[in-house]
Amino acid sequence: QTVVTQEPSFSVSPGGTVTLTCGLTSGSVSTSHYPSWYQHTPGQAPRTLIYTTNIRSSGVPDRFSGSILGNKAALTIAGAQADDESDYYCVLYMSSDIYVFGTGTKVTVL
Amino acid sequence: QVQLQESGPGLVKPSETLSLTCTVSGGSINNYFWSWIRQPPGKGLEWIGYIYYSGSTNYNPSLKSRVTMSVDTSTNQFSLRLSSVTAADTAVYYCARFGLYSLDYWGQGTLVTVSS
Repeated sequence: QTVVTQEPSFSVSPGGTVTLTCGLTSGSVSTSHYPSWYQHTPGQAPRTLIYTTNIRSSGVPDRFSGSILGNKAALTIAGAQADDESDYYCVLYMSSDIYVFGTGTKVTVL
Repeated sequence: QVQLQESGPGLVKPSETLSLTCTVSGGSINNYFWSWIRQPPGKGLEWIGYIYYSGSTNYNPSLKSRVTMSVDTSTNQFSLRLSSVTAADTAVYYCARFGLYSLDYWGQGTLVTVSS
């Protein structure tokens, strides 16, 4: 069974830049997986950041950007702010019309 | 603004069936796919499946044998049933709307605990 992998954690300084990735245990991520990214603070509803690889959801600041880097999907946070401290998940569209969440990355801003 | 609200029992006994309903307001349930996602305590998010407003479904293969989703367009609601639950099914359950290959509107989530 294919697993969608993400870094367990990242630390970034305020104002710094961090790039999170989303990969597959078998194969490469491409635009055909329509990667999307979500910010999730425990106790709150997840917030949609990016869909179809690089389209920002309404109201999401442009310091969040999505891309394909090598064989993975990527989420870059530029100019990190304190309230960016959260869990981040990617989702990939797979064959047979199923969706798989990544393992999640905990981002700390300090 | 589309809003979703989950409702249902917060406590379910082992081996019984978990039942949740998601009420959609601020928009029609028609012409969209709707999904259920869950997060067990201390773990990541897991996609359970989706249902189209017409009733067609697709489920996570790991849960497929126990999951049933249904939709009621007259009440703008869709539902989840998960049978033969165990403690491993204890989680916060979210309902959400599918936009373009992504989940664009989410409910606040509801905690369901499986315990005798």
